[in-house]
Amino acid sequence: SQKIEQNSEALNIQEGKTATLTCNYTNYSPAYLQWYRQDPGRGPVFLLLIRENEKEKRKERLKVTFDTTLKQSLFHITASQPADSATYLCALDMTGGFKTIFGAGTRLFVKA
Amino acid sequence: DAGVTQSPTHLIKTRGQQVTLRCSPKSGHDTVSWYQQALGQGPQFIFQYYEEEERQRGNFPDRFSGHQFPNYSSELNVNALLLGDSALYLCASSLWRGGAKNIQYFGAGTRLSVL
Repeated sequence: SQKIEQNSEALNIQEGKTATLTCNYTNYSPAYLQWYRQDPGRGPVFLLLIRENEKEKRKERLKVTFDTTLKQSLFHITASQPADSATYLCALDMTGGFKTIFGAGTRLFVKA
Repeated sequence: DAGVTQSPTHLIKTRGQQVTLRCSPKSGHDTVSWYQQALGQGPQFIFQYYEEEERQRGNFPDRFSGHQFPNYSSELNVNALLLGDSALYLCASSLWRGGAKNIQYFGAGTRLSVL
């Protein structure tokens, strides 16, 4: 069956450290993989998109890797801050399709 | 420049009733997608509208229907409400550029509670 798996347990890290979140998928061949941030009571906010032929993408303190062989993406936040505390969602898009498929998200807590 | 706006923000209905949720896309966007997000879960794709037509549908029953108007705004209708329909309903808009992946902008959602 098709699945997107993200760490179901919350991730707790100390301010200034690097947070690494994992997204694994099964039986999908995504053309694109996206990461979103969602705060309580709010809609998701787009962070980064990486294409199937790209290995890594960076934006300020954020870095995403995409390994289509392992069927895995890693999302890194360097020099993390308490303001980075939120739920982070991984999402897949297939070629020729219009729907985005989301994982359940990982809750990140950054302690000062 | 207003982002995606949804109304109402909260709604309480009873089983069997019908509900209509509304969405105004971000200025300049022509495509609207609707998602259902249960507590602790990721958003689940309901359907997408483009040029006033439903372009793709997720795994939702026919009780879920929608509409897109000429000004690109959209409505989501749910008939014969069930307790399990209680969720956050999210609208996302984007600009269709034919083939390329376009960023979706989400509204804050409508929280629907079915009693």
